[in-house]
Amino acid sequence: AQSVTQLDSQVPVFEEAPVELRCNYSSSVSVYLFWYVQYPNQGLQLLLKYLSGSTLVESINGFEAEFNKSQTSFHLRKPSVHISDTAEYFCAVSGGSQGNLIFGKGTKLSVKP
Amino acid sequence: DAGVIQSPRHEVTEMGQEVTLRCKPISGHDYLFWYRQTMMRGLELLIYFNNNVPIDDSGMPEDRFSAKMPNASFSTLKIQPSEPRDSAVYFCASSQLRTGSDGYTFGSGTRLTVV
Repeated sequence: AQSVTQLDSQVPVFEEAPVELRCNYSSSVSVYLFWYVQYPNQGLQLLLKYLSGSTLVESINGFEAEFNKSQTSFHLRKPSVHISDTAEYFCAVSGGSQGNLIFGKGTKLSVKP
Repeated sequence: DAGVIQSPRHEVTEMGQEVTLRCKPISGHDYLFWYRQTMMRGLELLIYFNNNVPIDDSGMPEDRFSAKMPNASFSTLKIQPSEPRDSAVYFCASSQLRTGSDGYTFGSGTRLTVV
């Protein structure tokens, strides 16, 4: 069975600073990996995903994540954050016989001016 | 498409009352998922449907919880009787694929408060 661990429950950071949100997964089969973002009082929205091919994937708003098979990681990074990036970020994995998405517990990113 | 539509957005009810949450998935999506989100437990999958048929309800916490999908455009999650520990945000999501490689689309959620 797959599982996802998000190592930090909260990450405070100043505006324009870089940020990395960490995600590790466990699986015995090939996986699909995802990052979702949840803004206050909203549902989750897909931010980016890795299915196959290039291990570096990017979102339209400057986030990127790199699939590292040897480290079983899929960390999310942004070189310079904005106040508007304040949200909760969820890493998720799917694959194998279970199929449906398994979510991590989330990381709350708080960007301060 | 208007996305996944959930109603109501907020529900406050007294302990012991029946609560019904509603969801309209995106047209053409064969999979529908119900999740519960709490501070303590995070995001939990309660049940999911494929082509209106319940596939896995192992996440449903107790017999007080039930879910139906009478047709491709409507699903309900019912709690009877409700208890204060059921207070949470309940999300519905739909997808064309179970693996989510196309991305699950989430509704805005129903915030349930049981007093």
